[in-house]
Amino acid sequence: KAGVTQTPRYLIKTRGQQVTLSCSPISGHRSVSWYQQTPGQGLQFLFEYFSETQRNKGNFPGRFSGRQFSNSRSEMNVSTLELGDSALYLCASSPLGLAGSYEQYFGPGTRLTVT
Amino acid sequence: SQQGEEDPQALSIQEGENATMNCSYKTSINNLQWYRQNSGRGLVHLILIRSNEREKHSGRLRVTLDTSKKSSSLLITASRAADTASYFCATDRAGGTSYGKLTFGQGTILTVHP
Repeated sequence: KAGVTQTPRYLIKTRGQQVTLSCSPISGHRSVSWYQQTPGQGLQFLFEYFSETQRNKGNFPGRFSGRQFSNSRSEMNVSTLELGDSALYLCASSPLGLAGSYEQYFGPGTRLTVT
Repeated sequence: SQQGEEDPQALSIQEGENATMNCSYKTSINNLQWYRQNSGRGLVHLILIRSNEREKHSGRLRVTLDTSKKSSSLLITASRAADTASYFCATDRAGGTSYGKLTFGQGTILTVHP
């Protein structure tokens, strides 16, 4: 099976702009989680989607949003970009939709730089 | 805030030696996982240990879990240069709904010298 793919891999944006990142999970996986990784805060959970529904959300401002499509592909959007949004954004998929965590399969990430 | 704290922050060893990394966490968990990350790329799942398990093996990896001390350790035996990476423990909080949410430690940077 193909792994989790994320596009684009690298992105440079200017403060105030918005950005959309895309994630395609492993075929058959219906749960998609998003994480932000920065040197200062480490890996932090953004949100999780299952069957097009957001089931869990981390402590991020409303500028961070996401959605999931019927084919389980997911997108996340960040509006009004700030310098502090510069990070590696990781998407992960999981085959199970039950509560609790299971192995998550991560994509290579999108490196976002905000100038 | 991070659930887990990892120790040491960095570890440098020679090929063939064993590497031990520790992780502590704060809340009751359903299970604990270890991941590896190479040079700012995606994370690779290594092993999952459930809260009712005490020890688990996978190849050269050995993981222990002590829920009374809220701690875990990852042992990599006979390290290779290719094991050079950052290693993270990740937990999910027991009780409530923890759909898809893993809480990661700050990680241990392992360098294995040939």
